[in-house]
Amino acid sequence: GQNIDQPTEMTATEGAIVQINCTYQTSGFNGLFWYQQHAGEAPTFLSYNVLDGLEEKGRFSSFLSRSKGYSYLLLKELQMKDSASYLCAVHGGATNKLIFGTGTLLAVQP
Amino acid sequence: DAGVIQSPRHEVTEMGQEVTLRCKPISGHNSLFWYRQTMMRGLELLIYFNNNVPIDDSGMPEDRFSAKMPNASFSTLKIQPSEPRDSAVYFCASSVRTGEPQHFGDGTRLSIL
Repeated sequence: GQNIDQPTEMTATEGAIVQINCTYQTSGFNGLFWYQQHAGEAPTFLSYNVLDGLEEKGRFSSFLSRSKGYSYLLLKELQMKDSASYLCAVHGGATNKLIFGTGTLLAVQP
Repeated sequence: DAGVIQSPRHEVTEMGQEVTLRCKPISGHNSLFWYRQTMMRGLELLIYFNNNVPIDDSGMPEDRFSAKMPNASFSTLKIQPSEPRDSAVYFCASSVRTGEPQHFGDGTRLSIL
C-alpha cells in the first residue's frame, strides 16, 4: 500500500523561509508532486521530482530522496498570499495513480 | 487556454435523489481523474481513465457511485441514490498522460440533505 505523512499545520513569518516535510511509503515509485490549495479553491501544481535532488522554481524548491522516502518543499521570502494548504502526492502503486497526503496548512503571519 | 471545466459548481439535493457531476478535460489530455475532498479524509482518488478507459476504480465507495467517459472531452460521475455522507467537494482533473502534472477543475460542492 501507500502511506504519506506530512505535518498538519505550520506557522511562519512574512519574509522568512519555511520547509514542509513529507515522508512516504509506496509499492512502486514514479514521482512526487507538490500542490498548493488555497481555502475554497482547487489544488494547483507547484513542483515535481522524479530523481533525487533539488528542483528550484522561483521562490519554491522541492527536494527528493528516494532511498529515504523523503521530500520537502522549501518556500523562501514568504508572502501573505502563501498562506494555504500544501499537499504532497506520490505517483506509483500497481496502477500508477497519484495518492495525496492530507496536506499541511501553512499560516503566514505579518 | 480553457482549463478543466466542471458543472455544476454547487449542488444541493435531498437524500435519495440522483446526482450527476460533469467534467470537460483540457483538450489533448489523455488522462482524467475524479477526486473527492472532505475535511476528515482529505483528497481521495475515486477513479481515473486513460484514453477514455477506466484504469483504477478502487476508490469508488460503493455501487451507488458510477463514472463514465463516453469520449475524450466529457466525463460524468453519478451518485444514485445519494446519501448525506456523500456531501463533499468533488474535483475532476486531467493530465497529458498518467504521471504528468494534473490540472484541476474548480470542483463541485455537493450537499446532500
